[in-house]
Amino acid sequence: SAVISQKPSRDICQRGTSLTIQCQVDSQVTMMFWYRQQPGQSLTLIATANQGSEATYESGFVIDKFPISRPNLTFSTLTVSNMSPEDSSIYLCSARGNSNYGYTFGSGTRLTVV
Amino acid sequence: KQEVTQIPAALSVPEGENLVLNCSFTDSAIYNLQWFRQDPGKGLTSLLLIQSSQREQTSGRLNASLDKSSGRSTLYIAASQPGDSATYLCAVPYNNNDMRFGAGTRLTVKP
Repeated sequence: SAVISQKPSRDICQRGTSLTIQCQVDSQVTMMFWYRQQPGQSLTLIATANQGSEATYESGFVIDKFPISRPNLTFSTLTVSNMSPEDSSIYLCSARGNSNYGYTFGSGTRLTVV
Repeated sequence: KQEVTQIPAALSVPEGENLVLNCSFTDSAIYNLQWFRQDPGKGLTSLLLIQSSQREQTSGRLNASLDKSSGRSTLYIAASQPGDSATYLCAVPYNNNDMRFGAGTRLTVKP
């Protein structure tokens, strides 16, 4: 299965600033996703990162707040914009080949907004 | 809508015990089910992937079973060790691309 390198692993940011999280996959994958995990909660899908086009966002998430890029089949970024303390969470990227394969996750980015 | 439930929410056992974690899902039309491990503040590590045509998968001390018709899966951990302490999540595909996760079982194995 694919291996995903995600960075940064953690960051402490000032409110009002933005942070970009990167994920690099060691092989070409069909699908890439971004998840948020709030403290004590399970994972919530933010968006599907589409190669060469705009991401598909889930209800409650918007492009202005969470812009996503996916320039090729191995790389994607998520930006958390104009951060507030409520954005403090773990952010995870995920990748999947075809539907017969499972999902692989990055090591997560632990974000604290102060 | 797919709902995934995991019980128990937390489990504490002495080292060496065999244990079973449970996962149930409401929509049995799945093509696979995946078990993950998550250490505090970290990402998810895939443990086992069971295709819908399979009944179980084994990896070392881990064995996962799948009963699609009843909407259940179990993760069996043999001879538990303190290093097994983590949160265990099960997940099923939903709406083609999304995954639905259970809330997880937080396992503590005491030396």
